[in-house]
Amino acid sequence: TQLLEQSPQFLSIQEGENLTVYCNSSSVFSSLQWYRQEPGEGPVLLVTVVTGGEVKKLKRLTFQFGDARKDSSLHITAAQPGDTGLYLCAGEEEKLVFGKGTKLTVNP
Amino acid sequence: GAGVSQTPSNKVTEKGKYVELRCDPISGHTALYWYRQSLGQGPEFLIYFQGTGAADDSGLPNDRFFAVRPEGSVSTLKIQRTERGDSAVYLCASSSNPSGTGGYGYTFGSGTRLTVV
Repeated sequence: TQLLEQSPQFLSIQEGENLTVYCNSSSVFSSLQWYRQEPGEGPVLLVTVVTGGEVKKLKRLTFQFGDARKDSSLHITAAQPGDTGLYLCAGEEEKLVFGKGTKLTVNP
Repeated sequence: GAGVSQTPSNKVTEKGKYVELRCDPISGHTALYWYRQSLGQGPEFLIYFQGTGAADDSGLPNDRFFAVRPEGSVSTLKIQRTERGDSAVYLCASSSNPSGTGGYGYTFGSGTRLTVV
């Protein structure tokens, strides 16, 4: 069974701080995807990383895929209250396998 | 439509009853996925369709759960003899992934919140 472990599970920070969320797997996936989910909504795709060592930036969010394609990180710079939500990483092999998520709260 | 539509958005049913949950994917998306999400957890895979056929149903918890996609578009997840443990948010997603090879983003619906009382 392929498992994805995310850490930390909960994170509460002040507006303006930086943070990093980690996603680790025992298996190699063809791609790794990051999603953000708000209460009462489905997950929304943020980014897909495919190549080992790949780095992608989305405004204040930086995503990195490990060289061995087993781990990934999400770094948020100068967090804002609008960044609050559940961040999910998911490995893909014909279907998505999700981690449990990191619940981020950014306080104003 | 522009997104993935799921109906109903909320469903309350009595233990032992039968329920159907509907998913209308993005037009032209060949792949359709059902997930179940419990409070505080990530989505858990149930079943995946490529066209009309179920390509992988390994996530269905038992034979009370069944899903169909007869015309390769709309899908219905059916749960017989519901139990309180079936209470969760049921999410549907679609993707343009042509053969399950990977690298394609998934678009999720807002889910159906099922409560079994």
